[in-house]
Amino acid sequence: RKEVEQDPGPFNVPEGATVAFNCTYSNSASQSFFWYRQDCRKEPKLLMSVYSSGNEDGRFTAQLNRASQYISLLIRDSKLSDSATYLCVVNAWMDSSYKLIFGSGTRLLVRP
Amino acid sequence: DTAVSQTPKYLVTQMGNDKSIKCEQNLGHDTMYWYKQDSKKFLKIMFSYNNKELIINETVPNRFSPKSPDKAHLNLHINSLELGDSAVYFCASSPGERTDTQYFGPGTRLTVL
Repeated sequence: RKEVEQDPGPFNVPEGATVAFNCTYSNSASQSFFWYRQDCRKEPKLLMSVYSSGNEDGRFTAQLNRASQYISLLIRDSKLSDSATYLCVVNAWMDSSYKLIFGSGTRLLVRP
Repeated sequence: DTAVSQTPKYLVTQMGNDKSIKCEQNLGHDTMYWYKQDSKKFLKIMFSYNNKELIINETVPNRFSPKSPDKAHLNLHINSLELGDSAVYFCASSPGERTDTQYFGPGTRLTVL
């Protein structure tokens, strides 16, 4: 079983749509959680951290359910520029060090 | 003002050759990392250094050897390149080893023929 699992997509949505991505993680010792964004042929960049109480940054809302080991990202009013791969990431204490564990990403295509 | 830079951006080489990738960060961070992203886009940690000390050494072939001459630089040397080494290699840095946010370099696309 992968440590961080995501639906690879692609999610193909029209501009203005609301889209949600989900992610599950297997390591119950995971300490912190993130969504990173990766554009085609570019490096990953932090989109937002994910807190237990849920948090929002503009059109983006992230939720964490520690009991179910489940993380979500909601994007409202999708823009063409949102097209990218969204990586679910957990920071866990493993083998005597903290490590970021990346999911393989969910691809989003926003069409005009 | 590039925060994390890598050279070269593209590297095409023959099987069996030895090559190096260089990484530099000007953020003043203590911790640097090497990741490998394969053709399935799966990003996996290879090594991490904190203040020039190796703290993460994942199960990678010993043909891969990282070197950190100072805390702003982390280089990756690969001996006897194999076809399966073809991937994008990303360098990253963070303020400390327990810091969550990592800043990635632009990547080095390695193709082994």
